[in-house]
Amino acid sequence: DAGVIQSPRHEVTEMGQEVTLRCKPISGHDYLFWYRQTMMRGLELLIYFNNNVPIDDSGMPEDRFSAKMPNASFSTLKIQPSEPRDSAVYFCASSSRRLAGYRGDEQFFGPGTRLTVL
Amino acid sequence: RKEVEQDPGPFNVPEGATVAFNCTYSNSASQSFFWYRQDCRKEPKLLMSVYSSGNEDGRFTAQLNRASQYISLLIRDSKLSDSATYLCVVGQDNFNKFYFGSGTKLNVKP
Repeated sequence: DAGVIQSPRHEVTEMGQEVTLRCKPISGHDYLFWYRQTMMRGLELLIYFNNNVPIDDSGMPEDRFSAKMPNASFSTLKIQPSEPRDSAVYFCASSSRRLAGYRGDEQFFGPGTRLTVL
Repeated sequence: RKEVEQDPGPFNVPEGATVAFNCTYSNSASQSFFWYRQDCRKEPKLLMSVYSSGNEDGRFTAQLNRASQYISLLIRDSKLSDSATYLCVVGQDNFNKFYFGSGTKLNVKP
């Protein structure tokens, strides 16, 4: 398996623009997580899904952020409108409890999207 | 109060040294515990899970003290390749919701 795939790897945009980050989890994983990492705040959980259903979005900073998971192999995190304080690395991670003999609580991270909002 | 607290370091140690990191967590109902490793400009990767009985993986030993709510990681015979940031992670909400510490940076020098 190719692992968790994220796109784009780098995004530079101007304040006020819409930004869409994309994630493809590992095939067969039923949990998907979106994190944000900054120097000041470290790694923060934004939202997570189970079987494509959002379970906990308490970490989403404000209404400008939204996340969707239309199917088991794709999720998006959207910021509209973007602001300079949204600049961070955004990670997507996936995990599974359904695979026999598997350490299901391990989360596998994608390479991240480095977002810069000017 | 943060869910997970770690000393940010950096810890600068020579090759072959033994180094130990600790972290504390605030929620006594936490259910799972891990150490993740993150290299510069890379994603975090699981280093090892931490069990109440303590566990060892080669040069790495992890311990959990539930009564005092702290987790430790011991690295023996440090290698240059151990240089990274080590993230203490605590799981809640039926093991799904992870809280990450801010990380402890380790620099192993020749």
